[in-house]
Amino acid sequence: NAGVTQTPKFRILKIGQSMTLQCTQDMNHNYMYWYRQDPGMGLKLIYYSVGAGITDKGEVPNGYNVSRSTTEDFPLRLELAAPSQTSVYFCATSDFQGTGVENEQFFGPGTRLTVL
Amino acid sequence: AQTVTQSQPEMSVQEAETVTLSCTYDTSESDYYLFWYKQPPSRQMILVIRQEAYKQQNATENRFSVNFQKAAKSFSLKISDSQLGDAAMYFCAYRAIQGAQKLVFGQGTRLTINP
Repeated sequence: NAGVTQTPKFRILKIGQSMTLQCTQDMNHNYMYWYRQDPGMGLKLIYYSVGAGITDKGEVPNGYNVSRSTTEDFPLRLELAAPSQTSVYFCATSDFQGTGVENEQFFGPGTRLTVL
Repeated sequence: AQTVTQSQPEMSVQEAETVTLSCTYDTSESDYYLFWYKQPPSRQMILVIRQEAYKQQNATENRFSVNFQKAAKSFSLKISDSQLGDAAMYFCAYRAIQGAQKLVFGQGTRLTINP
């Protein structure tokens, strides 16, 4: 049971390049999230999904795209990388069991992305 | 929109002493959830403690406890008997009752433990 896995762990991109950050979970959770953490700051929500085929924007979606074709996978796509996208990216999941506080979010280990 | 503010960028404490980290939030909702997360140098996000706003009793988890003041919209974390392993970034987070369980995070407080 791996939980939430993210690949790659580190990546350096040149301005204008594209890449996909992968996130996979084996907990059969409905909800998945992408957050970014800028240096010395808290996490901000980029996109989220409440189930396969359903995605929605978070607080900072510009410059990113997502898709959710399966319960397990929630990739994050950067089309034209910019220095402002230098950050650590976290994927997270949670299960839907009503709206209780026990629905903890489980985080992946993060991907550190640098755009030069 | 909800906001979470942590006004202490850095805190330090002597090993075995007690430290309190501050958090305030803004919401128009009457019911919600609040959390404290720990992020050690490994970057892993670890849930420390959680509080339901409708519960008057402050949550406690071993050496960690909260002081939840709903009227003041304040949610501080107290760490007793501080240990070297407590050194980390600590984030306060808010979650609405309804919706997709999205978390809103504060800016974080870096806690240093002095031996």
